[in-house]
Amino acid sequence: NAGVTQTPKFRILKIGQSMTLQCTQDMNHNYMYWYRQDPGMGLKLIYYSVGAGITDKGEVPNGYNVSRSTTEDFPLRLELAAPSQTSVYFCASSYLAGVETQYFGPGTRLLVL
Amino acid sequence: AQSVTQLDSQVPVFEEAPVELRCNYSSSVSVYLFWYVQYPNQGLQLLLKYLSGSTLVESINGFEAEFNKSQTSFHLRKPSVHISDTAEYFCAVSLLSGGYNKLIFGAGTRLAVHP
Repeated sequence: NAGVTQTPKFRILKIGQSMTLQCTQDMNHNYMYWYRQDPGMGLKLIYYSVGAGITDKGEVPNGYNVSRSTTEDFPLRLELAAPSQTSVYFCASSYLAGVETQYFGPGTRLLVL
Repeated sequence: AQSVTQLDSQVPVFEEAPVELRCNYSSSVSVYLFWYVQYPNQGLQLLLKYLSGSTLVESINGFEAEFNKSQTSFHLRKPSVHISDTAEYFCAVSLLSGGYNKLIFGAGTRLAVHP
């Protein structure tokens, strides 16, 4: 049981480039989330999804896009990378809303130069 | 709006000493509270959570946290820490909005256990 997997682990982008961060979970969870983690700031929610075909914005969605075509996958797209998007990105999933534990992937470290 | 404040950004402690990591939250409604731990170069994993019932909750590795409604706190404690407890600890509040589980995280407390 792999849980939540993320690729790539590390990436360097130039300003203006685009990329997709991949996230897959094999726990048949309905809910999936993307967070970014900046030093001393905790985690901020970028986007979340409550099921295939349904996504919504979190606290810091600007500069990102998501899609959810299957239960398992929840990719995060950066269209025009900016230095402010240098961060560590975590994908998470949970079975239900409310009291359920969120399970996190190992993270993707992104550096935009 | 809900928010979570972790009062210490870093806590150095010697091995086998007790430790307390402080967390306060602001909320006008009932909350669910969590502590997550992040070991170096890993994702977050749940340490313990308070949903209802007994205000004292425990983890399998000796941590405990007490929900104090009057002080709006959920401090994490361990009577004797190990080197392996070195990690970053995040307090979080579950915000129910439209039936969706949104976690509001504190900024984190970095626990450094020294021999």
